[in-house]
Amino acid sequence: DQQVKQNSPSLSVQEGRISILNCDYTNSMFDYFLWYKKYPAEGPTFLISISSIKDKNEDGRFTVFLNKSAKHLSLHIVPSQPGDSAVYFCAAGLQGAQKLVFGQGTRLTINP
Amino acid sequence: DTEVTQTPKHLVMGMTNKKSLKCEQHMGHRAMYWYKQKAKKPPELMFVYSYEKLSINESVPSRFSPECPNSSLLNLHLHALQPEDSALYLCASSHPLGGGAEETQYFGPGTRLLVL
Repeated sequence: DQQVKQNSPSLSVQEGRISILNCDYTNSMFDYFLWYKKYPAEGPTFLISISSIKDKNEDGRFTVFLNKSAKHLSLHIVPSQPGDSAVYFCAAGLQGAQKLVFGQGTRLTINP
Repeated sequence: DTEVTQTPKHLVMGMTNKKSLKCEQHMGHRAMYWYKQKAKKPPELMFVYSYEKLSINESVPSRFSPECPNSSLLNLHLHALQPEDSALYLCASSHPLGGGAEETQYFGPGTRLLVL
């Protein structure tokens, strides 16, 4: 049973446009969510997080939106740059539980 | 500084060998984690140490033995591994209890392990 799902295995976006990566979860108890970026043969790099008490969090070109009623979160990257090409994982957790549940990842390719 | 370091970067070992993976962080985090990641899959949690004590073992086979000598170091001792254990082994650290962003896990670059 996959508690966190990223239904798009891949996404291709033109440089300068907006990239939107989506993530759905089933466990309504999750109370914080994170996005990680991963290059091949490297560890995941933390990008941005959001607590369940918020519906939006911004950090530079990255914005995460949380829709609790739909159990859905999304990561917006604008403008997209070639260096953004990587695999993006969303993750969800329960505060204090020390366990993150990861989605399967979405490979983002930014085309020049 | 959000750096977690891991050594070695690459490791090749036979099924009868004994080896160790090392992880270090100097962020003052008191929770440290071992994950295993296979190609095209998300990271899978193996172990969690909180305040140098093992708090979570995700039913990992005993051929993997974790150790937390102090608050900055985490080891993973490997013995009699199988070829299917070949993977990227990731270490992470976080504040153990703080809520929300304070529980963000920061990952090291990983050790690429090949078992022959």
